[in-house]
Amino acid sequence: AQKVTQAQTEISVVEKEDVTLDCVYETRDTTYYLFWYKQPPSGELVFLIRRNSFDEQNEISGRYSWNFQKSTSSFNFTITASQVVDSAVYFCALSEAWGVGNQGGKLIFGQGTELSVKP
Amino acid sequence: GAVVSQHPSRVICKSGTSVKIECRSLDFQATTMFWYRQFPKQSLMLMATSNEGSKATYEQGVEKDKFLINHASLTLSTLTVTSAHPEDSSFYICSARVETQYFGPGTRLLVL
Repeated sequence: AQKVTQAQTEISVVEKEDVTLDCVYETRDTTYYLFWYKQPPSGELVFLIRRNSFDEQNEISGRYSWNFQKSTSSFNFTITASQVVDSAVYFCALSEAWGVGNQGGKLIFGQGTELSVKP
Repeated sequence: GAVVSQHPSRVICKSGTSVKIECRSLDFQATTMFWYRQFPKQSLMLMATSNEGSKATYEQGVEKDKFLINHASLTLSTLTVTSAHPEDSSFYICSARVETQYFGPGTRLLVL
């Protein structure tokens, strides 16, 4: 069965600190996708990144970076020089690849990590 | 691009009434849309997968007669909560998939 674990329920940092959000996943599929979403207090989920299981290259986007390691089934997310606007709940998610007819591919979410960045 | 809208954003209704929530992909066509439910301080729980032109696939434990899903076009899926009760009060979120699932802003339902 597929499962995503975000062990950190809440993290509190002071502005400009770096912070890493952990994500560990379980799947028997060889082809799968990993995602990170941000949910600010308004409630809308904002897509941050999608990574397929064959691409283990780390990615950097501005202050955000992601470290994907298949050997440890982890897909961690680091925010560098955090800002108050980064305060939100962050979800890691896993999906199987979807096949002919677009069937499948539902997202399995972790429990989320609530990040609080204080000024 | 990849904008998904939901309407209404907030609804309050009396127990026993039905409520319809619309999910639209504004700038792309989506064969597949998903409906989630989220309780306060919890993760998203998938309710059903909606495929255009066919019946929705419901997750285990979700009553299909209570949560009616219709995906009549490639840009619109609707969720109708029938005979709503206070325990149906929740945050309902839809998503539409291109290669990635993009989420709507959610609908907060309060049943009195």
